[in-house]
Amino acid sequence: DSGVTQTPKHLITATGQRVTLRCSPRSGDLSVYWYQQSLDQGLQFLIQYYNGEERAKGNILERFSAQQFPDLHSELNLSSLELGDSALYFCASSVDPDSPYQPQHFGDGTRLSIL
Amino acid sequence: AQTVTQSQPEMSVQEAETVTLSCTYDTSESNYYLFWYKQPPSRQMILVIRQEAYKQQNATENRFSVNFQKAAKSFSLKISDSQLGDTAMYFCAFMKNTGNQFYFGTGTSLTVIP
Repeated sequence: DSGVTQTPKHLITATGQRVTLRCSPRSGDLSVYWYQQSLDQGLQFLIQYYNGEERAKGNILERFSAQQFPDLHSELNLSSLELGDSALYFCASSVDPDSPYQPQHFGDGTRLSIL
Repeated sequence: AQTVTQSQPEMSVQEAETVTLSCTYDTSESNYYLFWYKQPPSRQMILVIRQEAYKQQNATENRFSVNFQKAAKSFSLKISDSQLGDTAMYFCAFMKNTGNQFYFGTGTSLTVIP
């Protein structure tokens, strides 16, 4: 158990809809990362937050947004969903965002299926 | 930009044998970190081993070791005495010295055959 909690585990919805994925970081971790794992593109970094502030942005679509709340949990919002958004979405957390030596702990992921 | 390439989509190994998974990367950074993550069917991402680029000594964690060739930008993972529980997808990942953004390869699916 990594200590990172992601909900829901599975989500099935239709094109054009909007969903929210939730992540609770490991106790004591201030930084949260979101990744998308799709069949054709592997694991890609989407966005990073540290103590409530956006820290780094990767290949995140404009239809996607995220935020980190004062209690440090994070939400990833996906809107105007397309078939290609079907993927496994991972959240990870770490203590120090500036120390690559501090490992990132991954949650079990949310499987999003777009019908 | 950083890229990570895993040229072996699938591999198999007999139980108790040794297998090596390949990874190459491209970067202009001089200092960085390299990782191998394991993703079993449970889909959890588990850190296997990591290597700091400034260290010449190859990292070792029990049955797992790496062969880090900085000049060749190569970072292979050797699994000794393979066990059935090693069956998983293995991802090679790169991280710059500044910031914590991972760049992942496309993965190698390893099957350990009893």
